[in-house]
Amino acid sequence: GQQVMQIPQYQHVQEGEDFTTYCNSSTTLSNIQWYKQRPGGHPVFLIQLVKSGEVKKQKRLTFQFGEAKKNSSLHITATQTTDVGTYFCAGLGGSNYKLTFGKGTLLTVNP
Amino acid sequence: DGGITQSPKYLFRKEGQNVTLSCEQNLNHDAMYWYRQDPGQGLRLIYYSQIVNDFQKGDIAEGYSVSREKKESFPLTVTSAQKNPTAFYLCASSIYRGGTGELFFGEGSRLTVL
Repeated sequence: GQQVMQIPQYQHVQEGEDFTTYCNSSTTLSNIQWYKQRPGGHPVFLIQLVKSGEVKKQKRLTFQFGEAKKNSSLHITATQTTDVGTYFCAGLGGSNYKLTFGKGTLLTVNP
Repeated sequence: DGGITQSPKYLFRKEGQNVTLSCEQNLNHDAMYWYRQDPGQGLRLIYYSQIVNDFQKGDIAEGYSVSREKKESFPLTVTSAQKNPTAFYLCASSIYRGGTGELFFGEGSRLTVL
């Protein structure tokens, strides 16, 4: 079945440093979504990427979808303490109509 | 306000007891999902439904059952056949069927089996 691998599992940074999490799928994806889950909270949708090579920005967050539509990344510039949480990617592939989530990257930020 | 309501937020049960987790949405969404989250793990799909009176097994359906008698409701029963039921359960909905479009999550139900 479809697998979505996400690295790193944990990342600790000093406030102001950049952060990147990567997602790789075993199969070509129709789209990829990114979610953020604050500690003790529930996942909240950040963005969806659909097109090959797509790049989208949300303030300090930059999302990329690979040319082959099998990988994606989320980059945060100049992290802040409010960025703390677990970032998940979720890919839609094949015809099974269900998203497959990566295991997430837990980001902690030292003020 | 529109959203997804899960109840109860915390639940303690003895081994061998069935438990039903409630999920209600007033977003008029067609698709609804149940996920299980364990520490250090991603979200694993238990069941999903794209339309009333229809649902499909996800990746870890064994020991769980669902129903979708109304568009706004998608309850999950954790049966005694589920070998390791202690987990955080998340319900989600989407306006679109077929896995596209964002998922809106409820606040989750944390089940502990003693």
